[in-house]
Formats: sequence, C-alpha cells, structure tokens
Amino acid sequence: AQTVTQSQPEMSVQEAETVTLSCTYDTSESNYYLFWYKQPPSRQMILVIRQEAYKQQNATENRFSVNFQKAAKSFSLKISDSQLGDTAMYFCAAHSGNTPLVFGKGTRLSVIA
Amino acid sequence: GAVVSQHPSWVICKSGTSVKIECRSLDFQATTMFWYRQFPKQSLMLMATSNEGSKATYEQGVEKDKFLINHASLTLSTLTVTSAHPEDSSFYICSAGDPGHSYEQYFGPGTRLTVT
Repeated sequence: AQTVTQSQPEMSVQEAETVTLSCTYDTSESNYYLFWYKQPPSRQMILVIRQEAYKQQNATENRFSVNFQKAAKSFSLKISDSQLGDTAMYFCAAHSGNTPLVFGKGTRLSVIA
Repeated sequence: GAVVSQHPSWVICKSGTSVKIECRSLDFQATTMFWYRQFPKQSLMLMATSNEGSKATYEQGVEKDKFLINHASLTLSTLTVTSAHPEDSSFYICSAGDPGHSYEQYFGPGTRLTVT
C-alpha cells in the first residue's frame, strides 16, 4: 500500500516570490509515479507536474519544478515567480501504473499581492 | 490532453430519491475509471474502481448497495446514489486511466450533490 503525507496544511507567499510545498511518500512498489495536482476554487483537478520514479532527473514545467529524492521518499514542489492565479489547494499523489491515485491531505496555498 | 466529462455538474435531490452521475471519456477509451468523494476542505477519498465489463471494486467502508457503479462501455461509467440522504451530500469526482499512457489519469470536473 502507498501513503502520501503533506505536512503543511496552509502556506502563503508573496507575489513573484518562490515557495516550496513538501510531500513525502511510502511505497513498496519498484515502479511508481508521483504527481502534483492543483485544485482551484472551481474544484477541477489540474495536473501540475509528474515524475516517473525511474527517472533521476527532476521534472520541470515552466515555473513549477520538483525536488525528487528517491532514497528519502521525498517529492517537493517549487513554484517560482508566484502568481495570484497559483492560489489553490495543492495535492501530492502517487500511483503504480493503472491503479488509483493515493492523495495527500493537501496544502492550501495563498499568493498575496 | 484527454478530456473527461461529468454530468450533471450540480444536482439537488430530495432525501430518499436516487441520483445518477455520468462520467465519460471523450477522446479515449478507458478500461478503468475511478470514483472519488471529496468533503469541503478535505482531500479526495477513493470510493471505488470501475472496470469495463466487470463489477466495481469498492473501498472498505463504502456501501456497494448504496453507491451503484456501472461501467458498461469503454467510455462511460455511472455512479448511482440510491436512497440518498443529507449525509451523502458531497462533491463526487471521477477519473479515467488512458491505457495508452499507463501513468496518466484524467479528472472530470466533478459533480456537487446536495440532498435536502
């Protein structure tokens, strides 16, 4: 079974600054995938970034990047040049192939003007 | 990217009635779909895994007779909340796995159910 832990219920950041959201996970699978999802007030789940566990290189998507530490089972999300539109709930998640996603409890991020 | 739709987006029903929620993969065939429930300010909780042509697999604590799931085709899964009660009021989200990309899951926009 997989578990995902997000230890920061809420965070805030000034516009244009950088913020890092933490996530740790546990799994017995050798092949798995890690994700960060954004859920704005509309409640639509939006994929922010994904990381295949077998890849050593950290994934990046424009202003979003991850710090994937496989041995430590850590998968943090860094948001650079924060924008007001980044205000949302952020969920860290994991799965192994075509299996259900296991979500963390989420971090509510507020970007302050 | 692939698109998953849900219908309705919002429904209000009276206690004791049944409500059906549809989840469709619009541009890919989904052999597996997942149904989640989300209470306000909480994370997504997996309710069941829906497999095309076979019975759904329910998570522990989810009443299979209350939450009926049918995955009759490769593009459609339905969740029926039977004899709904106010405590069933919640946000229901489906996701679908794309067999062509085993790591990808695509989410529907969700359905807000209010039982009065």
